[in-house]
Order: sequence, then structure tokens, then C-alpha cells
Amino acid sequence: SQELEQSPQSLIVQEGKNLTINCTSSKTLYGLYWYKQKYGEGLIFLMMLQKGGEEKSHEKITAKLDEKKQQSSLHIPASQPSHAGIYLCGAPSGDDKIIFGKGTRLHILP
Amino acid sequence: DSGVTQTPKHLITATGQRVTLRCSPRSGDLSVYWYQQSLDQGLQFLIQYYNGEERAKGNILERFSAQQFPDLHSELNLSSLELGDSALYFCASSPHYNEQFFGPGTRLTVL
Repeated sequence: SQELEQSPQSLIVQEGKNLTINCTSSKTLYGLYWYKQKYGEGLIFLMMLQKGGEEKSHEKITAKLDEKKQQSSLHIPASQPSHAGIYLCGAPSGDDKIIFGKGTRLHILP
Repeated sequence: DSGVTQTPKHLITATGQRVTLRCSPRSGDLSVYWYQQSLDQGLQFLIQYYNGEERAKGNILERFSAQQFPDLHSELNLSSLELGDSALYFCASSPHYNEQFFGPGTRLTVL
């Protein structure tokens, strides 16, 4: 079965610094979702990537899909306290199912 | 606000008990998905309903069951609760293939 591995698992960055989160799939990616979750709350849809090489953005957060590497990266420039939370990647996995990575916990230091 | 509502927000119960979690999808969405999120397992897909019928099943225990009603709201029933069932339970709804909108979740604590 397909698995998504996110790295790093946890990240602490100084406010204003750039950061990148990676999501690597064990199988071919036919699309990839990025969600953000505030601690203990629901998931907020950020963006969906559908084609290799596709790059999208949501409020200055950008993500790119590298089909060959079976990987997506999420980049946050000039991080702000509002960016803190858990970032989850998800991939379609048969029927209408989405499987998720275990998430990357992001903390922003003021 | 995703438009998906879940009740209750918090639920505290004892081992061996049975609880029902409720989800109202976004207006017009026919698909409802249930997920369980725990610290060690991450977000796990449990089950999907489409227009009242079960469409896909994931890692759902036999003690758990779900249904989707004619008005499209869904309920997840958890019985013979164990300590390990403590988790956040999310419902998501979908207007079409693959795009899912998540509710705020129900935090279940089993004591």
C-alpha cells in the first residue's frame, strides 16, 4: 500500500526565516494535497497539485510536485507566527480515498 | 469555515461505552469520509459513504460502524470503547473526486 513520508517531522524556525517541508511517496503520485491543521483543530485545504512540475501558491506559501522523484515540497518564505501548525500532505489512493503523511509540526519563534 | 459541521466538539466517556459522532456535509456534497487522528498513527481513513451507500472502507474496526442518511448527514458509531480509541475524529465531505473539505473534528477521550 502507498505510504507518504514527511520530513522533517518537526521544525522550529525563527520568525522571518524561510522553510521547506517535503513529502515523499512510496508509489507514483497522481496528485498531491497539502493541508494545514492548527493544533487540535480541523484541516484547512491549502492546495492540490495534479501534474508533474506543477507549482501552486496559497497566500505566499508555494508547493511543487516532482513526479519523477515521487515528491512534493512546500515552501514558506519569511515565516510568520500564523504559519505555526501541522502541515499534512495527502495523496489519492484508489477510489476516492486519500492517504496522509503523519504531518510536520511547525513552530515559529518570535 | 469549511461548511462541514461536526458534533459534539468534545466527548468524554468510559471504557466499554458506546458513542455516536455526527457530521453534516457541505450543502450539495454527496460524499462523506470519516478519519481518525491519533498521535502515533496520524490521520487514518476509516470509511466513505456516497449518497447513502458505503463506497470505501479503510482501517475501521468491527466495533465501529457508520451510516449516511437520506439528508446526507452521517453518523459514526463507536462501541465497546477502549482507551486506545481516544483520538480526534474528522469528517470530510467532497463535491467530486478527490477534493475533500474537513470538519472541525470531535475529540473523543475514553477514560
